[in-house]
Amino acid sequence: AQSVTQLGSHVSVSEGALVLLRCNYSSSVPPYLFWYVQYPNQGLQLLLKYTSAATLVKGINGFEAEFKKSETSFHLTKPSAHMSDAAEYFCAVSDGITSYDKVIFGPGTSLSVIP
Amino acid sequence: SAVISQKPSRDICQRGTSLTIQCQVDSQVTMMFWYRQQPGQSLTLIATANQGSEATYESGFVIDKFPISRPNLTFSTLTVSNMSPEDSSIYLCSVDHGGGTGELFFGEGSRLTVL
Repeated sequence: AQSVTQLGSHVSVSEGALVLLRCNYSSSVPPYLFWYVQYPNQGLQLLLKYTSAATLVKGINGFEAEFKKSETSFHLTKPSAHMSDAAEYFCAVSDGITSYDKVIFGPGTSLSVIP
Repeated sequence: SAVISQKPSRDICQRGTSLTIQCQVDSQVTMMFWYRQQPGQSLTLIATANQGSEATYESGFVIDKFPISRPNLTFSTLTVSNMSPEDSSIYLCSVDHGGGTGELFFGEGSRLTVL
């Protein structure tokens, strides 16, 4: 069965500092991995995804993530935090990318950006 | 992309009553997914709805409590039956727009408070 863990339910960074949000997964098959962001009172929006192509994935708003099979990790980074990055971030895993594949979400990490 | 509209956006309900949430998509989709997000928690998949067949429920969720309809390729409803305060959550409708991207699109959610 697939599962996702996110280390740190709350992360606080200063504006302009590096953002690092951690994600580890468990999957019995080669996984497809996703990062979603949820701004207050909104639905989720896809930041980026790994689907077995390049291990370093670039997403929207300057975010990127690296798939490391040996570490079963898919950590999300951004070189310089902006106030608008304050949100809830969810790592997710799926066995596939067809319409029939379920996506399992991690517990989420709340990112705060300090001016 | 897909645009998803959910109704109601929020509601306050009395214990023991039932509420139906509607989800409308601006294009035809094969699968629709219903998630629950309890306060401060991640998303938990309730069920998967395929047009023309009964919904498939995840462990811990049953049809009597969360009946789902999927009358056509652009619409679905989720009913929360015999509500208790523990059902206070955000209920999110999502779709995979297909094309093998694995990306889920989400509505803005329906925030239910049960008194």
